[in-house]
Amino acid sequence: DTGVSQDPRHKITKRGQNVTFRCDPISEHNRLYWYRQTLGQGPEFLTYFQNEAQLEKSRLLSDRFSAERPKGSFSTLEIQRTEQGDSAMYLCASSTGHRVGNYGYTFGSGTRLTVV
Amino acid sequence: GEDVEQSLFLSVREGDSSVINCTYTDSSSTYLYWYKQEPGAGLQLLTYIFSNMDMKQDQRLTVLLNKKDKHLSLRIADTQTGDSAIYFCAETTKTSYDKVIFGPGTSLSVIP
Repeated sequence: DTGVSQDPRHKITKRGQNVTFRCDPISEHNRLYWYRQTLGQGPEFLTYFQNEAQLEKSRLLSDRFSAERPKGSFSTLEIQRTEQGDSAMYLCASSTGHRVGNYGYTFGSGTRLTVV
Repeated sequence: GEDVEQSLFLSVREGDSSVINCTYTDSSSTYLYWYKQEPGAGLQLLTYIFSNMDMKQDQRLTVLLNKKDKHLSLRIADTQTGDSAIYFCAETTKTSYDKVIFGPGTSLSVIP
């Protein structure tokens, strides 16, 4: 297992276009998280899944954002009608166990989105 | 509510000790973490401390927790140029138990 993989690493899109990002977690991790990080800030929680169930969504996640984890393995994050304010690094993380606890997260390298 | 604060920048000379400080507001913190982010990379978990502990040492890293003052610190002994990175303080709490809340990060610069 090579850790958490995210694809693509970079995405440049025009305002108004839709984009989709993919995250492949560590295979035995049942929890998967999406965070957004803007320059000079810490990661902000967006949403998380336990297996295929989406258990929590942040108020940051507007109606233009949707995330899925259909088979409890990889996840996709889609942003519709992108806006310049969506430009950020989108980080995926996974963890094991029923609680984050002392395991913390394993993060992917992120997808950097630039909306022009 | 959940709020984690850190000073934004720290500069130290190679070989000196670095101390990165963090304060948090939620007294129901359960676990507190330190993550490291190098340029262009994701976050890497460095160490964690359970809220009923005062101190944890792991090689060059020492974590101190003052629960009364809601203050967490990370000491890096014998700081090396490879330690230059952004360090994030983070927590889980009894209300956010299923997710980690991050501070804004402290950018550590190590001067050769």
